[in-house]
Amino acid sequence: QVQLVQSGAVLKRPGASVRLSCKASGYTFTTYGISWVRQAPGQGLEWLGWISTFNGNTLYALNVQGRVTMTTDTSTSTAYLELRGLRSDDTAIYYCARDSKMTKGMAFFDDWGQGTLVSVSS
Amino acid sequence: DIQMTQSPSSLSASIGDRVTITCRASQTISQYLNWYQQRPGEAPKLLIFGASGLQSGAPSRFSGSGSGTDFTLTISSLQPEDFATYYCQQTYSPRYTFGRGTKLEIK
Repeated sequence: QVQLVQSGAVLKRPGASVRLSCKASGYTFTTYGISWVRQAPGQGLEWLGWISTFNGNTLYALNVQGRVTMTTDTSTSTAYLELRGLRSDDTAIYYCARDSKMTKGMAFFDDWGQGTLVSVSS
Repeated sequence: DIQMTQSPSSLSASIGDRVTITCRASQTISQYLNWYQQRPGEAPKLLIFGASGLQSGAPSRFSGSGSGTDFTLTISSLQPEDFATYYCQQTYSPRYTFGRGTKLEIK
């Protein structure tokens, strides 16, 4: 069965960087993209960006562009999210999600990781 | 970015009720509209894709409709496990956006 397993919770100081991982299994990694979504405490869902696992193309949300980098390692079927210049309002649960756009011609997120809590505090 | 407006933001209903949640896009999105359910402490789960496609494993009491700018999610007969928050998402624009959510609570 499809599984996306994310790295553990982290606490960071303002201004620091964080790198999160998302290891996929149960399907051919390079046939589905990965999107990253975050959810601040008590808030809704915010899409952060997408990466093609086939060729590494990326598209980022405008409000994090310049601070975010998404990458993949196809040898380990793992996607990574790096966020730099952390601020208190980056405190959130970060989810990776399998994005169907590459395979189905229409994008939807049919499997999600369990989420990683990133806390930013001095 | 395309803005997605959900209504209502919260809703109280009883077991067995028929419930409808609406989502409006700030511009036409054809049928590039998905619905997710999120229970407290869990990751979101896909219910409906492409405005009306029922995701494998989602109960048949969930249905979606609409195209263009106006969409609805209907639950035909509420069950206890349906009390959750529901989000719409547009994927017409390559920069996807979510609605702010509808919290469905027990009356």
